[in-house]
Formats: sequence, structure tokens, C-alpha cells
Amino acid sequence: GAVVSQHPSWVICKSGTSVKIECRSLDFQATTMFWYRQFPKQSLMLMATSNEGSKATYEQGVEKDKFLINHASLTLSTLTVTSAHPEDSSFYICSATAETGELFFGEGSRLTVL
Amino acid sequence: GNSVTQMEGPVTLSEEAFLTINCTYTATGYPSLFWYVQYPGEGLQLLLKATKADDKGSNKGFEATYRKETTSFHLEKGSVQVSDSAVYFCALREYGNKLVFGAGTILRVKS
Repeated sequence: GAVVSQHPSWVICKSGTSVKIECRSLDFQATTMFWYRQFPKQSLMLMATSNEGSKATYEQGVEKDKFLINHASLTLSTLTVTSAHPEDSSFYICSATAETGELFFGEGSRLTVL
Repeated sequence: GNSVTQMEGPVTLSEEAFLTINCTYTATGYPSLFWYVQYPGEGLQLLLKATKADDKGSNKGFEATYRKETTSFHLEKGSVQVSDSAVYFCALREYGNKLVFGAGTILRVKS
């Protein structure tokens, strides 16, 4: 079946640094990808919708300058957490829409900011 | 806005027990409904779905029926296995293929 891969699967960084997380659709082209954030014991909260070749659409309350999203190709979207702080520590999950309309999810990336 | 509420876990069952995980939703119109499963260390996988009222989604022995009258989509399985231990998420789809998730329910099955 269709596969979506995220990298890195976990990352630890110092406060104030920036971290980039990649989301790739390995065997299909995804015009739309979604970025979610999952807090411990809580649900996935949609952060933004990433469209290939255009600016991402952010959900209310999500800081655009804090969470930079780039969807440069039909198989890659990146999420950059800029000037990370401990409160940004979370599990970030991407999903991609296949041509069939079905959504496929990545394994998630756990960010820990010290 | 749209929302999904599912029962809190963890749910702990013995092997071969009957499983029910409740899910109710609030939405305008009649959204498609989904159950996703997240096994340890893996990404979310679609378990089953239903796109209209009275539809029954089924997969791997799991079933859920789209109940418009009660705005519910409860997940059931007649006989759980240890391998079913995972986190289960109920979700509805909004416009633009956006998903709204419930909080997730941890299922632990003991042998």
C-alpha cells in the first residue's frame, strides 16, 4: 500500500534552534499534505494544510512564522519549527492525500526541546 | 465547529473478550466517519470507514455503523486478540479532506 515516511522519527534540540521535519510520499504523488500535532494522551490537532507549489493554509491559533511549511514537490513537504522552545516539544505527524482520495499517515516525529 | 468524542481509556480486556469503543460526533451535515488505529511505534492506519448514514464499515473483524439518529460510530469487535493492542482514533472528515480526531482510546489486550 501507499507509504508516507517522516524523518527524523525523533529529534532533541536546544532551545532557540530550528528543527526541520520531512514528510515524503514514497510511492505516490501528493498534491495535499497535512501536518498534525499530538500532545501526550490527547488527540491530533491539525496545524496546517500544505499544498504543492503554494503557501500552506494554517489553522487558527497556529503561528505561521513559528511553524514554516514548504511543499516544494509532489512527494515532499517539510515542517520547520523555528526558534524552538520547550513548549514546542510534541509529536508531529503528517498525512498525504493519494490520487484515490485516501489519506496515509507518516510514523510521526517526536521533538524534544531542552 | 465539528468535534469527535470517544470514550477514555485505557480499555483493558482479556483475549477473546468483546470490545466496544464509543464514539459520538458533532457536525453540520453528514460527514464521512473513520476509525484509525495506531500500533506502537507506527503511524496511523485506516481501520474502517463509513460515508453515509446506516453504512457499516468493517475490517479485520472490527465493525462500526454510522448512526445518524444518535450521531455515533461505535467500534466493535467480537473477540479481541493481543495483537489488537493499540490506540484507536475516531475521526470525521470535513471539507478539503481535513480530519477531526477524537482523543484516542488505548486498548490493552491481555493473554
